[in-house]
Amino acid sequence: ETGVTQSPTHLIKTRGQQVTLRCSSQSGHNTVSWYQQALGQGPQFIFQYYREEENGRGNFPPRFSGLQFPNYSSELNVNALELDDSALYLCASSPVGASAGTQYFGPGTRLTVL
Amino acid sequence: AQRVTQPEKLLSVFKGAPVELKCNYSYSGSPELFWYVQYSRQRLQLLLRHISRESIKGFTADLNKGETSFHLKKPFAQEEDSAMYYCALSGRRRGSTLGRLYFGRGTQLTVWP
Repeated sequence: ETGVTQSPTHLIKTRGQQVTLRCSSQSGHNTVSWYQQALGQGPQFIFQYYREEENGRGNFPPRFSGLQFPNYSSELNVNALELDDSALYLCASSPVGASAGTQYFGPGTRLTVL
Repeated sequence: AQRVTQPEKLLSVFKGAPVELKCNYSYSGSPELFWYVQYSRQRLQLLLRHISRESIKGFTADLNKGETSFHLKKPFAQEEDSAMYYCALSGRRRGSTLGRLYFGRGTQLTVWP
C-alpha cells in the first residue's frame, strides 16, 4: 500500500493564473476530500468527491473546482488565482465502509501565488 | 454552525508529566470527534476517534457532550509525543456535514527531556 500521493510538491504561480493539483488515493478508497491549510491554521474543507461526483462543498468560490476519475485519482483546479490562495493543499481519501471522518492524508502541495 | 476550538496554540511539558490538550466544539447534532496528529516532516494522520474509545500511544480522549469537549490526555508524556495536534469533528447525518472534517487551529505540543 503506497498511501495517498500528491503532485507537485511545490508550485509558484502569479495572480490571475490557473493551477491544477493532483492526488492519487490509496487502493480501495472511493472518497476523496480536498482541504486548504493556510499558515498557522487548521485545514479547511474545500469539497469532497464520491464515485466521481461532488458530495459536499465548503465555503469556497466556484473558481475552486475538482474532478475524480474512475481510478479514484483526483484533481483540484483553481482559476483566477488570488494572493490569498497561497496555502498548503491537502488531499485525503477514505476507504470503503470506514467512518466518513476517518481520512488518510497526502503530504500536500504548497502553492505560492505572487 | 460547526466550530472546533483549541485554545492553546502552544503547550510545553517535561517528559513524564501529564499532558492535556483542550478541544471544545459546537455542532447542532451528534458529531463524531477525532484527534489528528502531525509529527515533524510527516503527513497528517489519525490518532484516535471518540467512537472507538481506544487508547493510542497512551493517549485517550473522552467526549463530554455536556461540556461539548473532547480533550486529549496522556498521563506520562514522552519526547516522541512532540507534534502538532488537531482536533476535528465530522457530522454523522448524510447530506449535511457527513464526511467533512472541521479542524481546530491546532496545538503544538513540545515535550522537553
